[in-house]
Amino acid sequence: QVHLEESGPGLVRPSETLSLTCTVSGGSIGDYYWTWIRQTPEKGLEWIGYIFYGRRTKYNPSLESRVTISVDTSKNQFFLSLQSVTAADTAVYFCARLSAANSYFYWGRGALVTVSS
Amino acid sequence: DIQMTQSPSPLSASVGDTVTITCRASERMTSSLNWYQQKEGRAPKLLIYSTSTLVSGVPSRFSGSGSATDFALIISGLQPEDSATYFCQQSFSVPHTFGQGTKVDI
Repeated sequence: QVHLEESGPGLVRPSETLSLTCTVSGGSIGDYYWTWIRQTPEKGLEWIGYIFYGRRTKYNPSLESRVTISVDTSKNQFFLSLQSVTAADTAVYFCARLSAANSYFYWGRGALVTVSS
Repeated sequence: DIQMTQSPSPLSASVGDTVTITCRASERMTSSLNWYQQKEGRAPKLLIYSTSTLVSGVPSRFSGSGSATDFALIISGLQPEDSATYFCQQSFSVPHTFGQGTKVDI
C-alpha cells in the first residue's frame, strides 16, 4: 500500500521560503506524477504543480514564478519550495500521486503551514 | 484554466434521501472528471474517477454521470456517514482544478 507523508516547518515568516518534503513508502517514486495541492477556507483546493520521474514539471501559472518541485529518487522523496511567501500562502499542503486514470487516489494527511511573523 | 462550479452549496438532506451534486466546467472536457469526499481534518478521498467509475470499496450508492461541461455525483440512499464535503476535479488540462465543494449535512 502506497503511503505519503508531508513534513516541514509549520511556521514560516513572510518573504521567506516555504519548504516541504513528501516521503513516499510502499512503492517506487518513479513512473508517476507527484503533485502538491493546497487547501484554504477562502480558495478551497488549489493545484500547485507536479513532477514526473524527476524531470518534467508543470506548475499552476498563478504560482509558477515562485514554486519549484523537485525529487530525490534515492530517498523516495519529493519536495515543494515556495518563495517569497505571504499570509495568503497559509494553507494545508497535501502531497498526492496522480494515477494512470488521471485521478488522485493517494494523498498525504496534509501539513498546515502558517505564514506569520 | 478550466473553472469548476458546483451546486448546490450547502446541501441539507435526510437519511435515505437521494441527492445530486452538479459540477459545471467552463470548457468542454473529456472524461477526466473525478469526485472526492472530504471529512473534517482529513485528506480528500477519491470516490469516482473518469466521470462514472467507482473506486473499489466505495459503496454502490455513489454514482457519477455526465459529459462535455455538465457532470453529477448522485448518492442514492443517504447514510449518516455520508456527511462530508464533496469536490469535483478535472484532470483534462493543467492546472488541474477543483470545484468549491458541496457540504452535505444530514
